[in-house]
Amino acid sequence: GENVEQHPSTLSVQEGDSAVIKCTYSDSASNYFPWYKQELGKRPQLIIDIRSNVGEKKDQRIAVTLNKTAKHFSLHITETQPEDSAVYFCAASTWMDSSYKLIFGSGTRLLVRP
Amino acid sequence: DSGVTQTPKHLITATGQRVTLRCSPRSGDLSVYWYQQSLDQGLQFLIQYYNGEERAKGNILERFSAQQFPDLHSELNLSSLELGDSALYFCASSTDGGVSYEQYFGPGTRLTVT
Repeated sequence: GENVEQHPSTLSVQEGDSAVIKCTYSDSASNYFPWYKQELGKRPQLIIDIRSNVGEKKDQRIAVTLNKTAKHFSLHITETQPEDSAVYFCAASTWMDSSYKLIFGSGTRLLVRP
Repeated sequence: DSGVTQTPKHLITATGQRVTLRCSPRSGDLSVYWYQQSLDQGLQFLIQYYNGEERAKGNILERFSAQQFPDLHSELNLSSLELGDSALYFCASSTDGGVSYEQYFGPGTRLTVT
């Protein structure tokens, strides 16, 4: 079936370094790609999203890039801070069983070492 | 606080039992989504309702059912519970029926089946 693969599953970086998380999707009709951040014991929250008509979007230290040809998109966090430590989920809108659904990746646990 | 409420926060029950989880969406949101998050796993989409009607279905077991009421709150019913149903169940809401909009997650209900 349609799925979203996310790598790496865990990522440890030094404070101030950059972090990159990558996702691939299989449905060429996917047109919406959000990223959610889930801190320990808390709810997922949207941090940035991108639609298929643009290749890159930035919001302060966070950016997302989309390569429709290769069917992959990435989250870039620059100047990481300890409060960036969390699990990050990518997702892609997917047409499946006669409706659009948001399919999530398996998550990346990011640890920012002070 | 996302504006989405879920009750109860925790639920402990025995195998074979039936439980009901409740969700109230943000004021004005017409769509409600249900997700299951098992330990250290991603978010598995279960089902979506839009303005009282089922809009999309994911990998929801036949033992599980949901509905959305005229006041737009939603309930997820889980029956004949098994140990493997232990998980965090999130409800999310969005303004529109399409998936290309931010979903606001509730705090979740942690279900433990013993």
